[in-house]
Amino acid sequence: QVQLQESGPGLVKPSETLSLTCTVSGGSISIFYWSWIRQPPGKGPEWIGYIYDSGTTNYNPSLKSRVTISVDTSKNQFSLKLTSVTAADTAVYYCARDRELTYWGQGTLVTVSS
Amino acid sequence: EIVLTQSPGTLSLSPGERATLSCRASQSIAGSNLAWYQQKPGQAPRLLIYAASIRATAIDIPDRFSGSGSGTDFTLTISRLEPEDFAVYYCQQYGSSPLYTFGQGTKVEIK
Repeated sequence: QVQLQESGPGLVKPSETLSLTCTVSGGSISIFYWSWIRQPPGKGPEWIGYIYDSGTTNYNPSLKSRVTISVDTSKNQFSLKLTSVTAADTAVYYCARDRELTYWGQGTLVTVSS
Repeated sequence: EIVLTQSPGTLSLSPGERATLSCRASQSIAGSNLAWYQQKPGQAPRLLIYAASIRATAIDIPDRFSGSGSGTDFTLTISRLEPEDFAVYYCQQYGSSPLYTFGQGTKVEIK
């Protein structure tokens, strides 16, 4: 059974870098599309980007200048880095598998505040 | 950017009734690459339908959920509402790179 689990700081200061990791169990990370999605409180989801084939990425154009998604196949993990955060980046961040987002992590709330 | 518009915003129905949710795209979605998700409070969205009409059986989605449509107009139908089906539903297109967009959601509430 495929399981995903997000981890990382729940509080990030403005202008700093948000860093999250998604650990995948129950399957290899070397295939499939691996995505990050976020959802601000009370709003709908927003797709951030994906990585596949252990290195090919695709990012939301509105976030592209600040986002990096990478994969560590030795740990079966993939990661999200979002630089220069502001309060507008406060959201629940989810990792998921496939372009159609078949499997999701439970999500982790990241608050941007000083 | 493809904009997805869902209607209605809220659907008030009773258990046992049929629910019909609409998702309209601002331009044609390549390959009918459209998915539907259900989200309950405090939970991650759950995939119901992908490729417009294929039920996500790998994660045991019941057959009362069905999807249809192509091009710019898509529909999610719940044939008979169960108590656990009252939630928010989102459509998402993943056919137009580089941006995969979500609709704003339809809330299905108990009447």
